[in-house]
Amino acid sequence: AQSVTQLGSHVSVSEGALVLLRCNYSSSVPPYLFWYVQYPNQGLQLLLKYTTGATLVKGINGFEAEFKKSETSFHLTKPSAHMSDAAEYFCAVSERRDDKIIFGKGTRLHILP
Amino acid sequence: GAGVSQSPSNKVTEKGKDVELRCDPISGHTALYWYRQSLGQGLEFLIYFQGNSAPDKSGLPSDRFSAERTGGSVSTLTIQRTQQEDSAVYLCASSSFGKEAFFGQGTRLTVV
Repeated sequence: AQSVTQLGSHVSVSEGALVLLRCNYSSSVPPYLFWYVQYPNQGLQLLLKYTTGATLVKGINGFEAEFKKSETSFHLTKPSAHMSDAAEYFCAVSERRDDKIIFGKGTRLHILP
Repeated sequence: GAGVSQSPSNKVTEKGKDVELRCDPISGHTALYWYRQSLGQGLEFLIYFQGNSAPDKSGLPSDRFSAERTGGSVSTLTIQRTQQEDSAVYLCASSSFGKEAFFGQGTRLTVV
């Protein structure tokens, strides 16, 4: 069965610094991978997803993630953090033969002025 | 509808009362999920429905919690004899063929 591990329940970065949120997954088949974002007092929305094709995927608000099969990772990055990026981020995985999507515990991103 | 709809958006109930939370998924989505999000916490999986298969109830925290999905569409999450620790935001999501899940705005439950 698939699973997701997000390293670090809280991550703090300075405004303008690189954002790196880590996600590792396990799956017995090629996965679909997702990052979701939840801004304060809002619902979850899709940030980006990998299904097939190019392993580097770009999402909204300047975020991107790279699927690395050899490392079973799908880390989320953004070159320069903005205060508006402060939110909780969730990594998720599904196995193509099985519809169930599994979510990680989430990482809360804090942006320091 | 255009998205996942949850009702009510807010619910305040007295300890010991039963509550029902409703979720209308996106039309045609075969999978439906319920999650719970307590203050400052991540997503806690509750239950998963997929088509006509038996639901995955492995996340339900106690036998006070139950859910059903009628006609493969609308779902109701029922909490019996509510306790203060049940206070949280209950989120519903739907998806199809393992692709992205779409979330509703949630029901904020407060048990007083």
